[in-house]
Amino acid sequence: QKEVEQDPGPLSVPEGAIVSLNCTYSNSAFQYFMWYRQYSRKGPELLMYTYSSGNKEDGRFTAQVDKSSKYISLFIRDSQPSDSATYLCAMSAEGAGSYQLTFGKGTKLSVIP
Amino acid sequence: GAVVSQHPSRVICKSGTSVKIECRSLDFQATTMFWYRQFPKKSLMLMATSNEGSKATYEQGVEKDKFLINHASLTLSTLTVTSAHPEDSSFYICSARSGTGSSGYTFGSGTRLTVV
Repeated sequence: QKEVEQDPGPLSVPEGAIVSLNCTYSNSAFQYFMWYRQYSRKGPELLMYTYSSGNKEDGRFTAQVDKSSKYISLFIRDSQPSDSATYLCAMSAEGAGSYQLTFGKGTKLSVIP
Repeated sequence: GAVVSQHPSRVICKSGTSVKIECRSLDFQATTMFWYRQFPKKSLMLMATSNEGSKATYEQGVEKDKFLINHASLTLSTLTVTSAHPEDSSFYICSARSGTGSSGYTFGSGTRLTVV
């Protein structure tokens, strides 16, 4: 079992839809959870950052972490064509000074006007 | 915000030649930079951690003699793919620590390497 599992999609939704993106993980030491957005032929940019379990909201984006289920989600409300990108989840144990990130495969999202 | 500049964005080279990719932190100093490789529909795979003034730390399975890393200053790390083969064709991305904690990473825009 890979440390982080993420369905690569592709996922296609109409403009205005609510998008749900998910990752599961196996390493219980992960405490820091991130979502990155990566446009085609570009590097990832940090979208959301969450520590431990709980929810975090930023505009149209909501990140949820359920450590008991080892499951994280990213919700996008009122999706826009400009949200079309690959979304990568990433996690870190951040122990002993180590901040190495472990990434999911990324889910390619297309928002159709 | 912090900016990491990666150059070139695309490069095509012949088999057997070497190609150098540069990663620069533009508005901050980075004692540590990271080099990733990304295949289609695959995770970003950490290749190596580049440390300013010392040897890079390579991940298991990454050939250090093939992927030469130099981090000679606090703002520049380079990755040289030596004796390139078609299987080295990939998207290479660098990252630098621009802040504290797991969220303190800034990524470059990536380099698409095609070996023909």
